[in-house]
Amino acid sequence: KQEVTQIPAALSVPEGENLVLNCSFTDSAIYNLQWFRQDPGKGLTSLLLIQSSQREQTSGRLNASLDKSSGRSTLYIAASQPGDSATYLCAVYTGGFKTIFGAGTRLFVKA
Amino acid sequence: NAGVTQTPKFQVLKTGQSMTLQCAQDMNHEYMSWYRQDPGMGLRLIHYSVGAGITDQGEVPNGYNVSRSTTEDFPLRLLSAAPSQTSVYFCATRGGFEQYFGPGTRLTVT
Repeated sequence: KQEVTQIPAALSVPEGENLVLNCSFTDSAIYNLQWFRQDPGKGLTSLLLIQSSQREQTSGRLNASLDKSSGRSTLYIAASQPGDSATYLCAVYTGGFKTIFGAGTRLFVKA
Repeated sequence: NAGVTQTPKFQVLKTGQSMTLQCAQDMNHEYMSWYRQDPGMGLRLIHYSVGAGITDQGEVPNGYNVSRSTTEDFPLRLLSAAPSQTSVYFCATRGGFEQYFGPGTRLTVT
């Protein structure tokens, strides 16, 4: 059974710091992996989607990598800002139209 | 273009009551799904549909019912609400490889 783990559960950093969020999964047979951002009381906003044949994707200050063989993905945020404060979720797409989510990393960027 | 919409935003039910959470999309996506989000547990898949007339169970289907009569709508029914169903419910669609989420319904069962 696929399990997705995100470490750390919470993170507090000063503004301007570069940071890495981690996502690990137990079964490497995935179709793709998606990173989301969730603001308090809101829905999920897609940040980056990495297909199984790709190693990384970039959007602005965000870079996501995927290593299927080791069951790991990282989300790198450069020059963090207070507006980046949110919960970040990774989701793994497995066969049968099913998606498994991690519990998320709650990020707080201090001004 | 509203994307994925959900109603109501908030709901309080008594144990044993039934209700329907509404989800609608205007993106013409075949795939739609329902998740619940509980503190510290991430999102868990309740039911999903790959097109009108086709539904299937996810990870936590017990106590919930779905049907899909049109591409646009995918309602979630709670048959007899229990306190364990207190949660935030999200509807999502998928276009290509990407998922799109509605704003959620916060449900409390007392």
